[in-house]
Amino acid sequence: KNQVEQSPQSLIILEGKNCTLQCNYTVSPFSNLRWYKQDTGRGPVSLTIMTFSENTKSNGRYTATLDADTKQSSLHITASQLSDSASYICVVSARAGGFKTIFGAGTRLFVKA
Amino acid sequence: NAGVTQTPKFRVLKTGQSMTLLCAQDMNHEYMYWYRQDPGMGLRLIHYSVGEGTTAKGEVPDGYNVSRLKKQNFLLGLESAAPSQTSVYFCASSYLDRANEQFFGPGTRLTVL
Repeated sequence: KNQVEQSPQSLIILEGKNCTLQCNYTVSPFSNLRWYKQDTGRGPVSLTIMTFSENTKSNGRYTATLDADTKQSSLHITASQLSDSASYICVVSARAGGFKTIFGAGTRLFVKA
Repeated sequence: NAGVTQTPKFRVLKTGQSMTLLCAQDMNHEYMYWYRQDPGMGLRLIHYSVGEGTTAKGEVPDGYNVSRLKKQNFLLGLESAAPSQTSVYFCASSYLDRANEQFFGPGTRLTVL
């Protein structure tokens, strides 16, 4: 069964600190993995995309990693800011007779001053 | 460019009432999607369209209907609303298939009493 599991469910950190969010998936055959950021009351916005051959990709203070062998990805946020408070959603696409896209439930991040 | 817009932003219905949610995109995308987002769960695909005049069922299509009469618009209808349809509904679009970056609207918060 295609699944995407994210941990932790929620996280509270102090402004300026780093944090790492985890995503484990069982989706196959793997096509790509995206991280989306969803601010409260808004739709998700794509942060990064990673394909099978990519290990690391950065977007400003956001760095995503992918281990296709263990089917794990992480999103590392450096020097957190109050505006990083949001839900972060891991999305994995599988190529199987067309594409199937599975959304994780997300990690809710709270950055406190 | 407005991107993806949704109307209305909020709606309260009584059980058995009907309504239509409107989604519009100005990016000339072929693919459009309707999702629902419930607490603790990932976004779930209701219906999608791969082009003007086409629609297809997603993973949770029961109780909903859709139409794509124009490329830029994708309508989601609830013929007889039920409390289980209380949710936040997101429309999204993508240039190519589901594995590509999806651009989301701001969401519609629907409550069915």
